[in-house]
Amino acid sequence: AQKVTQAQTEISVVEKEDVTLDCVYETRDTTYYLFWYKQPPSGELVFLIRRNSFDEQNEISGRYSWNFQKSTSSFNFTITASQVVDSAVYFCALSGLSNTGKLIFGQGTTLQVKP
Amino acid sequence: EAGVAQSPRYKIIEKRQSVAFWCNPISGHATLYWYQQILGQGPKLLIQFQNNGVVDDSQLPKDRFSAERLKGVDSTLKIQPAKLEDSAVYLCASSKSGERGNYEQYFGPGTRLTVT
Repeated sequence: AQKVTQAQTEISVVEKEDVTLDCVYETRDTTYYLFWYKQPPSGELVFLIRRNSFDEQNEISGRYSWNFQKSTSSFNFTITASQVVDSAVYFCALSGLSNTGKLIFGQGTTLQVKP
Repeated sequence: EAGVAQSPRYKIIEKRQSVAFWCNPISGHATLYWYQQILGQGPKLLIQFQNNGVVDDSQLPKDRFSAERLKGVDSTLKIQPAKLEDSAVYLCASSKSGERGNYEQYFGPGTRLTVT
């Protein structure tokens, strides 16, 4: 079975602090894909990143960076110099060849960035 | 490029009534998904279409939920009769292709359903 665990339910930081959101996954597939989505108060899920299981290179996009480690089955997300606009619920998700491509979501982490 | 469109945005109904949600995916996207998101949880897949065929409906409560994607474009999700536990946000998503899981899914704004 496939599973995604986001152990942090809520995180609160002050603006300009760095923050890391944890994601741990379980799958028996050798080929799989990991995703992060942002859900602001408006409710729409916004795609942030997709990584495949064969690419363990870390990725940086502006203030966002992602650390993928197959050895620990983790795909963590770091926001550097957080801003109030980063306040949202962040979801980690998994899909693989064995599950028709549907996304298996974690429970989400609510990030609150205070001014 | 237009995103995924959904309507209505909000719906309040009484239990045992019926309701229908509509979704128009991104142009050219072959795969369409309906997810249910209960408050405080991550979205859960209800049904997945590839063009106008069903790929996965294993989590769809078929005694009350139905969905169709005629002509492989728009889709409608129906609940009849609704129960209190159906109160949730219903999200529609689309991707270029879906069965291999290697394309990102783009989500619509969702329909927030309240069953009283």
